[in-house]
Formats: sequence, structure tokens, C-alpha cells
Amino acid sequence: EVQLVQSGAEVKKPGESLKLSCKGSGYSFSSYWIAWVRQMPGKGLECMGIIYPGDSDTRYSPSFQGQVTISADKSISTAYLQWSSLKASDAAMYYCARPRGNGALNVFEIWGQGTMVTVSS
Amino acid sequence: DIQMTQSPSTLSASVGDRVTITCRASQSISTWLAWYQQKPGKAPNLLIYKASSLESGVPSRFSGSGSGTEFTLTISSLQPDDFATYYCQHYNTHSYTFGQGTKLEIK
Repeated sequence: EVQLVQSGAEVKKPGESLKLSCKGSGYSFSSYWIAWVRQMPGKGLECMGIIYPGDSDTRYSPSFQGQVTISADKSISTAYLQWSSLKASDAAMYYCARPRGNGALNVFEIWGQGTMVTVSS
Repeated sequence: DIQMTQSPSTLSASVGDRVTITCRASQSISTWLAWYQQKPGKAPNLLIYKASSLESGVPSRFSGSGSGTEFTLTISSLQPDDFATYYCQHYNTHSYTFGQGTKLEIK
């Protein structure tokens, strides 16, 4: 079964660092792009960026460029989303998602279960 | 960046109703448009791709149409399980912008 399994919920303080993970299984992880999607409380979906684990080619949406870092370790089939210094406004649910097919420009066919991030002093 | 605008933001309807949700793109995206359903606390679920292709396993009461800048999602006869939030998304560029969502509520 093709699936993405995300790391558990996090509670952090402003200024702290954080790294979320998304582990793929049931397919060739290196050969498919992985996207990260933010959903702030009660709000819609925003694509933050996308990475190709095979060569770590990464594309950020303009709103998120410089705010987060997306990376991947193909040896352990895991993609990451990280912050160096969290803000209260980073509190959200974060999903990883895999587009259909080997290209980046395709529908998000497989989704992780989501990781809730709470940021509060 | 391509902007996606959905209407309405909220839709109240009854079981058995036919409903239509509209999504407009700020520039032409051909048919590179998807529709997703999201229920509270769950990840989105793909319903429609390439504007009008029904994803495997999705009931046939869901249908999509449109091209260029204007698209619609239609549910022909609402079922209790359909009350959820619906999002359109373009996949024409790496920004993958979503619409702001349409919450379908029980009247």
C-alpha cells in the first residue's frame, strides 16, 4: 500500500526550531515529488513547496521562500519541513502530499495524515 | 501567481439537492484543475482531476466541467456523506494554488 506517514503533533514556543517528517512507503520514494501543504486553523489549503527526493530539486511557493526549509533523505524515504525560529503564526496543520506520476505538475494523489503544530508562549 | 477564486464560500443544501460550486482562475490553466473534498480533521481527498475526470472510487454523482478560467463541480444528488468542504486546485505551475474552499452545510 502506498502511504505517507507523518510525525506526531508538536507543541513549541516562539523562537524554537522544528523539523517535521513525512515517510513514504509502498513505492519508489526517490522517483516521486513530495509537497508540503499548510492549513491554518479554520482556513484553506496552501502549498508551501515541493521537493524531488531523487536529486533534492526543491521549488518554494513565493509566500514561503525563506520562511521554511524543505529537504529529503532518500536513503530513509523521508521528507522534511523545518523552521529555524517559529512564530505564533506558524501554528497550523501541515500535510505532506505526493503528486500522481513522476512529474511535479500533477494532482496530489496521496496525502499524509497531517501534523498539528501549536506555537504558544 | 495564478489566483483561484471559489464561490460560494458557504452553501446550505438538503439531501437530494443538486449543487454546483464554481472556481475561477486568474489566467488560463487549460484543464489543469482538480477538486478535493475535506472533512474535519482529515486530509483532503481527490475527487476530480483534469477538470472533468472522475477519480477511481469516487461516486458518479460528482462531476466536473470547464476549461481555461472557469470551472464547476456538480453533485447531482446530495448524500449525507457529502457535507464537507470542497477545494479547487490548479496544477499548471509549481505554486499549486488552491481556492479558498466552499463549505457545504446541511440546510
